[in-house]
Amino acid sequence: GAVVSQHPSRVICKSGTSVKIECRSLDFQATTMFWYRQFPKKSLMLMATSNEGSKATYEQGVEKDKFLINHASLTLSTLTVTSAHPEDSSFYICSARDGTRAGDAFFGQGTRLTVV
Amino acid sequence: GIQVEQSPPDLILQEGANSTLRCNFSDSVNNLQWFHQNPWGQLINLFYIPSGTKQNGRLSATTVATERYSLLYISSSQTTDSGVYFCAVASGTYKYIFGTGTRLKVLA
Repeated sequence: GAVVSQHPSRVICKSGTSVKIECRSLDFQATTMFWYRQFPKKSLMLMATSNEGSKATYEQGVEKDKFLINHASLTLSTLTVTSAHPEDSSFYICSARDGTRAGDAFFGQGTRLTVV
Repeated sequence: GIQVEQSPPDLILQEGANSTLRCNFSDSVNNLQWFHQNPWGQLINLFYIPSGTKQNGRLSATTVATERYSLLYISSSQTTDSGVYFCAVASGTYKYIFGTGTRLKVLA
């Protein structure tokens, strides 16, 4: 099946710094990718839709300036958490869909961000 | 937006037992997936099942789209089945909305 790779899998950063998370579709092209956030013992919440070559679409309540999304190519989307604070600590997961096949979306392995 | 509720929220089973997990959604969808989230957080894709029934080993799933629910069956459960099970639904844009999850613990 299609593979989505997310990097890094785990990152610890200091408050006030920025962190970039990469999401790559390895064997297919993805014009659209999605970013999710998961708090401990909670479900996954959709943050934004990443569109290749255009601006991301953010869900209500998600700060655009805090979570910068760039989808510069058909195989790569990045999420940058800017000026990170401890409350940004969370598990972030991306997904992508292979437009040449029906329906199912594939998910990366996730990134556990800890801001200290 | 679409609301997705799963039941039960928590489930404890003895090894070898069978179980049924349910996913109800509030609006029509044309995509539905079941996932198992392992202890490291990775989402394992179990089924893509917008309608009908599928089976894979000890797991099977049924979606009745017209009645807006899906069921995941686990037979002869094993300790490695422990974790959180999510259903996720999408319509049109493949923007998946996740359910509330069922936390399963299988005891040896």
